Amino acid sequence: GENVEQHPSTLSVQEGDSAVIKCTYSDSASNYFPWYKQELGKRPQLIIDIRSNVGEKKDQRIAVTLNKTAKHFSLHITETQPEDSAVYFCAASNRAAGNKLTFGGGTRVLVKP
Amino acid sequence: DGGITQSPKYLFRKEGQNVTLSCEQNLNHDAMYWYRQDPGQGLRLIYYSQIVNDFQKGDIAEGYSVSREKKESFPLTVTSAQKNPTAFYLCASRSGASNTGELFFGEGSRLTVL
Repeated sequence: GENVEQHPSTLSVQEGDSAVIKCTYSDSASNYFPWYKQELGKRPQLIIDIRSNVGEKKDQRIAVTLNKTAKHFSLHITETQPEDSAVYFCAASNRAAGNKLTFGGGTRVLVKP
Repeated sequence: DGGITQSPKYLFRKEGQNVTLSCEQNLNHDAMYWYRQDPGQGLRLIYYSQIVNDFQKGDIAEGYSVSREKKESFPLTVTSAQKNPTAFYLCASRSGASNTGELFFGEGSRLTVL
C-alpha cells in the first residue's frame, strides 16, 4: 500500500521567513496530493491540493510543487506569520487503492515573532 | 448548519470494555472515514466506507469494527481486542466516489483507557 513520509517533524522559523515541508510517496499510481493544517485543539482543514497533471499550484502565500518522477511533493509558505503556527499534514491518494487517503506523520511549525 | 459531528468528545473506558464512537454528517457525503491520531504518527486510517452497507479496512483495522447502515452515520467500535486504544479519533467525510476533493473532519473524540 501507499506510504507517505514527511520531513521535518518540527520546524521553527522567524516571522517573515519561508517554511518548506517535504513529503515522499511510494505508490506511483497516486494522483492526488492534499495538504491539511491543524491548529491546536482544532480539526484538520484543507489548505491546498494538487493533482498529478500539474507541477505547481499557488494560493496567496502558499504553494505546492510536485515531482512525479521523484515521487515527492512540497509545501512552501512564504512571509510566515504567527497564525501559520500549526501542524501540517501531507497526504496521497489514488483511485486504484480504493480512494484511501494516506497521511504523512505531520510537521509542527512554530513561527516566532 | 451543515457539518460532521462526533460524540462523545471525551470518553473514559476500563480495560476489557467495548466502546462506540458516534459520527454523523448532514453534508450528503458518500464517503466516510475513521482516523486515529497519535503524537508524532500523523493520521492513520482505521476504516472507510464509500457507500451505504459497504466498508473497507484501513491500515490499522485490528481491534476496531464499523457499520454503515445509513448514509449519514458511520459509528466506530473500539473493542477489547485493541491493545492500545488510548488515542484521539477523527471521523471525516467526502462527497462522491472520486479519490479527490476535500475531506471534512469532525472535532474528534479523545478516548482514554484507565
